[in-house]
Order: sequence, then C-alpha cells, then structure tokens
Amino acid sequence: GAVVSQHPSRVICKSGTSVKIECRSLDFQATTMFWYRQFPKQSLMLMATSNEGSKATYEQGVEKDKFLINHASLTLSTLTVTSAHPEDSSFYICSARLAGENNEQFFGPGTRLTVL
Amino acid sequence: LAKTTQPISMDSYEGQEVNITCSHNNIATNDYITWYQQFPSQGPRFIIQGYKTKVTNEVASLFIPADRKSSTLSLPRVSLSDTAVYYCLVGDKRDNYGQNFVFGPGTRLSVLP
Repeated sequence: GAVVSQHPSRVICKSGTSVKIECRSLDFQATTMFWYRQFPKQSLMLMATSNEGSKATYEQGVEKDKFLINHASLTLSTLTVTSAHPEDSSFYICSARLAGENNEQFFGPGTRLTVL
Repeated sequence: LAKTTQPISMDSYEGQEVNITCSHNNIATNDYITWYQQFPSQGPRFIIQGYKTKVTNEVASLFIPADRKSSTLSLPRVSLSDTAVYYCLVGDKRDNYGQNFVFGPGTRLSVLP
C-alpha cells in the first residue's frame, strides 16, 4: 500500500509556542489529506480536510486560526498548532487519499505533541 | 452519515478465532464497510473493506449479511500481536470530503496468552 509519513514523530514544546507538523505522501499524489486528533484512550476525531491548492475545511468546533493547515503540493500538507497550550497535547494523525473511484485513505504514523 | 456501534472491548486467547461485529443500521446504498486496526501511538492500518457477502484477504475475513445492517470482522487464530483497537467505518468510497471517515470508539481487543 501507499506510504504516508509524518514529521516529527514526537515534539515537546513550551506553552505559547507554535509547532508545525508535516504530512507527506511518499509514493503517490494525494489531492486530499485529512488531519485527526486523538486523546488518550479515545477515538480519532477529524479536525479538517485539506485539499491541494484550496483552503482547508474545518470540522465544527475546530478553530481554524489556531490550527493552520497548508496543502501546498500534492504530496505535502502541514498542520501548525499556533500558541500551543497544555490542552493541545494530543496525538495528531494525518491521512492521504488517492484521487478517483477507489479512494482509500492511508494513515500516517502520527505525531505526539506534548505542551508543557 | 451511517453511525456504527461496536463492543467496547473483547478478550480472547492466543490461537482462537475472534469475531467482532459492527452494527450500521442506517447504511446507505453507496456505502462501503471498512475496518482499521490501531496499535498504541500509531496511525490506523487498513485491514479489509467490503460491500456485501464475504471478503477475505491474508489477514482477515469480512462477513456482510444481505441487509448490510451489520458486518463481522473475523480474525483467524489470533496472536498476542493482534492486541489492538479495531475500528469499523461506513461511508461512500466516492466521497471527496472525508466525511465517510468518522471513527467510532472502536473495539479494544486483548489477546491473552
């Protein structure tokens, strides 16, 4: 199957700083990428849908000014957590989807964000 | 958007067959059923996908009755490494906006020695 990578895998930052997480589709072009957040012992929650060349679509309750998403190319989407606070500590997972009828999603390995 | 219901947790022993059933009473005509596996601190991994009847691959089987209101993931002869959370998702494969991937709480499978 197709491979999706995330960088960094773990990040620890101080409260008030911004953190950028990269999501790359390594061997395919992804017109659509998705960002999820997962708190301990909970399920994945979709935060936003990122389409190449256009603005991201955010789910209800997700602040677009706090979670900046950029999908500048068909293989890269970035999520920037601005002015991070301890409550933003979570596991962030991206996925990428091939275009077309059989549009299976492939998930990245996730990024563990800890805000002190 | 079809909602899914799964058991919160299941226990099994090594070598046993495990069947996890997911209910999706409001499944739509164009919806497919997809199962993912997730280990702690990792992204979900695709297991199997189906539309109706039975689908089998090298790791699992998926049984879907004629009314498609439920589906059963069957894992043959589980091992300790199959301990994970298993998610059942229902949605339209042609959906372009990711709304098909709404994760429920999943089933936490614990395989005991």
